[in-house]
Parts: sequence; structure tokens; C-alpha cells
Amino acid sequence: KAGVTQTPRYLIKTRGQQVTLSCSPISGHRSVSWYQQTPGQGLQFLFEYFSETQRNKGNFPGRFSGRQFSNSRSEMNVSTLELGDSALYLCASSLGNQNTEAFFGQGTRLTVV
Amino acid sequence: GQQVMQIPQYQHVQEGEDFTTYCNSSTTLSNIQWYKQRPGGHPVFLIQLVKSGEVKKQKRLTFQFGEAKKNSSLHITATQTTDVGTYFCATGTASKLTFGTGTRLQVTL
Repeated sequence: KAGVTQTPRYLIKTRGQQVTLSCSPISGHRSVSWYQQTPGQGLQFLFEYFSETQRNKGNFPGRFSGRQFSNSRSEMNVSTLELGDSALYLCASSLGNQNTEAFFGQGTRLTVV
Repeated sequence: GQQVMQIPQYQHVQEGEDFTTYCNSSTTLSNIQWYKQRPGGHPVFLIQLVKSGEVKKQKRLTFQFGEAKKNSSLHITATQTTDVGTYFCATGTASKLTFGTGTRLQVTL
């Protein structure tokens, strides 16, 4: 069974630009969650989409947004990029029920210059 | 928000030595999950504990959930070079996890 696929794997952007990252979950998984990983702040929850609706949201500014399509694929968008947005962005898919595990993609490494 | 601390931040062991990482919370946790992230990789689920005092084993790995459900530990017996990576505890549902700060394990021959 195919795993979670994130594209692109690496991205370099300039301050002020915007970026869109994509995540294709495991087939049958309706929940997609996004995390930001940095050396200083660790792994932080951004938001979660379930059946095309944002169900949970972390403590990030409105520049970070996302959406989910009817096939459960998800995108996250970061507008007006700042140097501090440089990070590994990970998505995780799951069935969306209690007591199930999260399956992470390989991540997108975003560098803002 | 909920904070989950892990100690130590980093540990370097010789192959064959044991390793333990501890996860602590100031509040009662509904569950604890453990993930491993290899260098350059992504977190991979290891196990979930939900009951007070629960102990689970996976080969050389032993996981414990504290009686008060405020702490947890992961113990690796006789480490191998394949154990290298960062170990994270996490709490919450698969859809929304709060991760601990992580413990990076380095194993040398």
C-alpha cells in the first residue's frame, strides 16, 4: 500500500513570496494533519483537515492556511514568507478516529532566503 | 497549551549499552504515543499506551506509562547502530498530536 506522498521534497523561496505544499494521504485515510518541524521549536501542529473541513487548528498566524479536496489530498499555503518559516513541513494521514496511528510523509524542506 | 518535556535532549552511547528517554507532563495525559525519526527521515509510529501503569515491549524496546499518567519512558536494551535517531513522545489523537521535545540518540561502535 502506498505511503503518504509529499511534494515537492525541497523548495527555496524568497521572503515575501508565497508557497503551496501538497500531501497525498494513504488511500482510505480521510484525515490529513500538517506539522512544522524546526530545530528550535520542534514538531508543532499546524492544522488538520477531515472530509474537506478544517477540524483542528494550531497556534499559527493566518499566513498559514490549508485545504482538502474530495479525494482527501491536501494542500497547505504560506503567504508572505518570512525567514523564520524555513522548516521541514510534514503531513500525516490517519483514519481520523481515536486510538489510531499517524503515518507521516517524507516532508517538504522549505528554505526562505 | 499542553507541554510535554523529554529528557535527555541528547545521548551518546556505545553499541551494546542501554538507553532510556523520559517524557513528562504537568497534566494528566489521555494517552502517550512514541515515534522514531531517523536522521533525514520522518517520524514513524512505534507504539501507543493508554492505561495507567501500562508496560509494552517490542523486542529490545520497553515502553511504560506512569501510574499517574503524567509521564512515560522508553528503554532500549543493548543498543545497536540501527537505533540511531530522535525519539519523540506525543499525546493526543492521530489527527492532532502534541509532541515532546525529543531525545536524539547517537550510537557508536
